[in-house]
Amino acid sequence: QKEVEQNSGPLSVPEGAIASLNCTYSDRGSQSFFWYRQYSGKSPELIMFIYSNGDKEDGRFTAQLNKASQYVSLLIRDSQPSDSATYLCAARGGDTGRRALTFGSGTRLQVQP
Amino acid sequence: EADIYQTPRYLVIGTGKKITLECSQTMGHDKMYWYQQDPGMELHLIHYSYGVNSTEKGDLSSESTVSRIRTEHFPLTLESARPSHTSQYLCASTGTETYEQYFGPGTRLTVT
Repeated sequence: QKEVEQNSGPLSVPEGAIASLNCTYSDRGSQSFFWYRQYSGKSPELIMFIYSNGDKEDGRFTAQLNKASQYVSLLIRDSQPSDSATYLCAARGGDTGRRALTFGSGTRLQVQP
Repeated sequence: EADIYQTPRYLVIGTGKKITLECSQTMGHDKMYWYQQDPGMELHLIHYSYGVNSTEKGDLSSESTVSRIRTEHFPLTLESARPSHTSQYLCASTGTETYEQYFGPGTRLTVT
């Protein structure tokens, strides 16, 4: 079992819809969680991070964390074709934090015009 | 805004050559990382460092080596490049007080 699991997709949504991207993690000691966007051929770009249970909103993006269920999600409201990319979920483990983040394999999002 | 730089951005080189991929950050971050990523595939951690003179191997075995003589600089070296080393190499860094990890633009390496 991978430490951070994501559905590889592609997830296809029409322009203007809400895209919902999901991620589960296995390490109960994980402290914080990150969402990255990666366009084809480019490097990952940090979108949001969340440390506490509940929702965190930033513009069109909302991150949701449920530590009891070991579940993280990213909602993208009013999806645009420019949101089409691979979205990576990452978790920071409960250790000293010296190690890198653990990344999922990513979900490819396609926003149809 | 992340200030992390990688050079070269693209490199095409012949088999057997020695290469060094440069990574620098101006944020004073103590932790730095190298990832390898093939097109459409997941990220693989190959090296990391949590300070000057400390380096560790990552999850994916790599024939490359790294050094950390200065906080801001974390170069990766391949002594003898092979076609199997063809990939994108991504450098990243994280601060001590925060845990957000920022990536450089990457180096796309092609070994012919």
